[in-house]
Amino acid sequence: GAVVSQHPSWVICKSGTSVKIECRSLDFQATTMFWYRQFPKQSLMLMATSNEGSKATYEQGVEKDKFLINHASLTLSTLTVTSAHPEDSSFYICSAPLPRGLNEKLFFGSGTQLSVL
Amino acid sequence: DAKTTQPTSMDCAEGRAANLPCNHSTISGNEYVYWYRQIHSQGPQYIIHGLKNNETNEMASLIITEDRKSSTLILPHATLRDTAVYYCIVRTSFMDSNYQLIWGAGTKLIIKP
Repeated sequence: GAVVSQHPSWVICKSGTSVKIECRSLDFQATTMFWYRQFPKQSLMLMATSNEGSKATYEQGVEKDKFLINHASLTLSTLTVTSAHPEDSSFYICSAPLPRGLNEKLFFGSGTQLSVL
Repeated sequence: DAKTTQPTSMDCAEGRAANLPCNHSTISGNEYVYWYRQIHSQGPQYIIHGLKNNETNEMASLIITEDRKSSTLILPHATLRDTAVYYCIVRTSFMDSNYQLIWGAGTKLIIKP
């Protein structure tokens, strides 16, 4: 079945540094990918929609200059947390839908646990 | 805001059927009901979805009421590995270019030996 691969699974970084998270669709092309953030014991919150070849669409309250999204190919989207601070520590998850006409499922990566010291 | 309401938590004995309810009283005619689950510190996993008819796959069964205002996810023989948070979500047809899902709080299902 369709698989979305997300790396790294976890990362620890110092405050002020930048962290890049990769999301790949392994056996299908994804013109759209979604990035979520999840705090402990809370549900998923959509941060932004990543569109291949164009600018990402950010949800209200999400700083686009802080959370840089690049969707340079049909199988790869990256989220860069710039100048990370402890309050950015969270579980970040990407997802991608199968192309229209095949199946309307949404597949998720395994998530990235970010801890900022 | 999430369009669904679910109980916060449920327990089920191992080997028994787990029945997870979901209310979606404001569902529109073109909205599907989806179920996902999330095991601790992992990405959500697709379980099943449906529009009007009951559905069954290798993981679970989905029973949707005739008025579509509620549904029940059934795990026929729950195992300890089924312990997870289960999310019931409604979303528009795949013909809609917006694939967003609005996530509620979900039901924490605990399978007990």
